[in-house]
Amino acid sequence: AQSVTQLGSHVSVSEGALVLLRCNYSSSVPPYLFWYVQYPNQGLQLLLKYTSAATLVKGINGFEAEFKKSETSFHLTKPSAHMSDAAEYFCAVRGYSGAGSYQLTFGKGTKLSVIP
Amino acid sequence: DAMVIQNPRYQVTQFGKPVTLSCSQTLNHNVMYWYQQKSSQAPKLLFHYYDKDFNNEADTPDNFQSRRPNTSFCFLDIRSPGLGDAAMYLCATSRDNQPQHFGDGTRLSIL
Repeated sequence: AQSVTQLGSHVSVSEGALVLLRCNYSSSVPPYLFWYVQYPNQGLQLLLKYTSAATLVKGINGFEAEFKKSETSFHLTKPSAHMSDAAEYFCAVRGYSGAGSYQLTFGKGTKLSVIP
Repeated sequence: DAMVIQNPRYQVTQFGKPVTLSCSQTLNHNVMYWYQQKSSQAPKLLFHYYDKDFNNEADTPDNFQSRRPNTSFCFLDIRSPGLGDAAMYLCATSRDNQPQHFGDGTRLSIL
């Protein structure tokens, strides 16, 4: 079974500071990994995905993530936080459900607060 | 342009009164998913349709049912809602193994 663990349910950073949200995965096969963002009372929006190509993945809104097999990690970073980045972030791993379909298993989420 | 549309955004129902949530998509994706997300928790997959094939998660209560009359629409039926079913319900779609696109969700309250 595949799973992801997000370290820290709540992270606070100052505006302009580095954002680092941690995600570690467990998978018996090369994983497909995703980061999603959720703003209050909205659905999930895909930030970026890792699909076994480049280990450094660039996403939307200035976010990027680096796949490190040796550390089983896929941490999300952004050099400079904006107030608009305040949201909840979910790391997810894709698993095969059978019959050609796939499912996502999400981490518990990290709520990011940005302090002016 | 909204591509995965969930109606209504907010739904209030009475304890035990059947309720239906709807999802439509303009992406022509063949896979549609329903997730339940309780406050401050991760989304939990209830079931999904791969084309017309229904796939139920092992721990989804029998109280939850789904219908997909055509490619564009999918419904979530809760036959007898209990207080524990109050949550945000998220619909998502994908083309085979491509990333999932989510709607904005329906927040369900139980009185």
